[in-house]
Amino acid sequence: GQNIDQPTEMTATEGAIVQINCTYQTSGFNGLFWYQQHAGEAPTFLSYNVLDGLEEKGRFSSFLSRSKGYSYLLLKELQMKDSASYLCAAMDSNYQLIWGAGTKLIIKP
Amino acid sequence: GAVVSQHPSRVICKSGTSVKIECRSLDFQATTMFWYRQFPKKSLMLMATSNEGSKATYEQGVEKDKFLINHASLTLSTLTVTSAHPEDSSFYICSAISTSGGDYNEQFFGPGTRLTVL
Repeated sequence: GQNIDQPTEMTATEGAIVQINCTYQTSGFNGLFWYQQHAGEAPTFLSYNVLDGLEEKGRFSSFLSRSKGYSYLLLKELQMKDSASYLCAAMDSNYQLIWGAGTKLIIKP
Repeated sequence: GAVVSQHPSRVICKSGTSVKIECRSLDFQATTMFWYRQFPKKSLMLMATSNEGSKATYEQGVEKDKFLINHASLTLSTLTVTSAHPEDSSFYICSAISTSGGDYNEQFFGPGTRLTVL
């Protein structure tokens, strides 16, 4: 079956760094997405990885290892506004997104 | 980036009534639109895939006669929740894929519609 696993909740301190992990199992693979979702709002796109390695985009970076079925989202210099849920989603061979349940990130001052 | 709108953003209705939610791609044409449902603290659940000019493809467990989807044009898809019940209360989100494609069929999400059935 198809499955995405990510931690339910994480807590970090303002200004610090946090890494949110995601493991996936899909029928075929056409890339791994990370989305940010604030409560009551739709997800917003953060990153896309289809090749192994690290993609850096400002304070956010995303890593992919296809052989391990593993990805992480790295957030640096955390700000209070980064408090949100972070959704990992893998695209299968039919180009459909398989969603994780999301990781709620709590930022403390 | 591409913009997708949803209307209404919030709706409260009585049990037994029908509610229509619109999803529009504002600055691009969308061959495919998706309808998702999200329960509190849960992941997005794909309900159906809507292709312009053809019948929607529903995911297993989603009632076709209860959740009517119409994708009449390349910029508009509608979801009608018929004979709504309190258990249909949820956050409904649509997304659209541009006809221009791109490297990975990025989905652009609408802002979501909060449905509350009394």
